[in-house]
Amino acid sequence: EIVLTQSPGTLSLSPGERATLSCRASQSVSSNYLAWYQQRPGQAPRLLIYGASSRATGIPDRFSGSGSGTDFTLTISRLDPEDFAVYYCQQYGRSPDTFGQGTKLEIK
Amino acid sequence: QLQLQESGPGLVKPSETLSLTCTVSGGSINSYFYYWGWIRQPPGKGLEWIGNIYYNGNTYYNPSLKSRVTISVDTSKDQFSLNLNSVTAADAAVYYCGSTTLTINGAFDIWGQGTMVTVSS
Repeated sequence: EIVLTQSPGTLSLSPGERATLSCRASQSVSSNYLAWYQQRPGQAPRLLIYGASSRATGIPDRFSGSGSGTDFTLTISRLDPEDFAVYYCQQYGRSPDTFGQGTKLEIK
Repeated sequence: QLQLQESGPGLVKPSETLSLTCTVSGGSINSYFYYWGWIRQPPGKGLEWIGNIYYNGNTYYNPSLKSRVTISVDTSKDQFSLNLNSVTAADAAVYYCGSTTLTINGAFDIWGQGTMVTVSS
């Protein structure tokens, strides 16, 4: 199975700053089938990005995804207080689908 | 707007079968455009994909659970279900149902709120 490694484990930033989250795959992700989710405490994950760079419906344009092959990035251009949460990447190009271990974005 | 809602027992005894149902509203479970899945999250941990089911009944399971899991659809009730047998404490988790479309093709854009399942005698 494809193992996804997210870094950093925790990212401490202030509102208004730029956040860059990384997701590295152990093998190339087929068709760039890579998604990013946000999960706030006590809530279900919310899809932000699919296909590595397509924003899901209703997602603000401060969220952007990039990358291909084995290296992918989620960028949040200007952090809003509601953006502090845990972020997961998922690959769905090769079964079994797998998720990264998560990056916690916390307020500095 | 498609919505999903999980239901089922919150407590299952070790070695027994965990059974959960996901009710679909705002859309048809019989549509070729959607497919459906289950994901779980142990307390304080990350997400694990359990499996998917397509409109034609085809299923795909995580190999780590394949010998114990069954996902099925009841089109008459607009529901799909998860059965996981021979549970142990390691199966305690929040269980989510999710949906994806042929356009998104595997990322879950709609999630249920999740249901916590505890495994204990």
